[in-house]
Amino acid sequence: DQQVKQNSPSLSVQEGRISILNCDYTNSMFDYFLWYKKYPAEGPTFLISISSIKDKNEDGRFTVFLNKSAKHLSLHIVPSQPGDSAVYFCAAQVSPANSKLTFGKGITLSVRP
Amino acid sequence: DAGITQSPRHKVTETGTPVTLRCHQTENHRYMYWYRQDPGHGLRLIHYSYGVKDTDKGEVSDGYSVSRSKTEDFLLTLESATSSQTSVYFCAISGIGNNQPQHFGDGTRLSIL
Repeated sequence: DQQVKQNSPSLSVQEGRISILNCDYTNSMFDYFLWYKKYPAEGPTFLISISSIKDKNEDGRFTVFLNKSAKHLSLHIVPSQPGDSAVYFCAAQVSPANSKLTFGKGITLSVRP
Repeated sequence: DAGITQSPRHKVTETGTPVTLRCHQTENHRYMYWYRQDPGHGLRLIHYSYGVKDTDKGEVSDGYSVSRSKTEDFLLTLESATSSQTSVYFCAISGIGNNQPQHFGDGTRLSIL
């Protein structure tokens, strides 16, 4: 039973446009959500996170939105750059004190020059 | 970059042989984790540690054991490797307290023939 779902395996966008990466979850106990970016032959790199007490968190070009009632979050990248091309993982945990992460399968983002 | 070193980075071995992967950190973080990444599965937690000699199982722990005798080192052992354990293995660390994201090493690519 997959508790964190990234249903689209890939996304291709034009440089300068917005990239929207989606993530759904089923476990209502999740209360902290993270996005990681991964390049080939490297480990995942933490990108941005959001607590369930918020519905938006912004860091530069990256914004994460959380809709708790729909159990849905999304990562917006504006403007998209070719260096953003990578695999993006959505992850969730039950509480910050319980740090075990549950990951989605990942989305491969390609940003076309 | 978080001070995490995984060794070896690549290993090829035969079915039935024992294999030990090492994760070394220089951040003095309390929590350490072992994940495996496989196509179509994202990252899945194998084992984790919340302190020296304190470890617990993750969702895919069968066939794996871990040890943590020092804060800085977390070892993952495959007692008798099987082909289904061919994967990329990632170590992660995190501190205590709220909103502490996990930081990952660059992985070990393990092939079991």
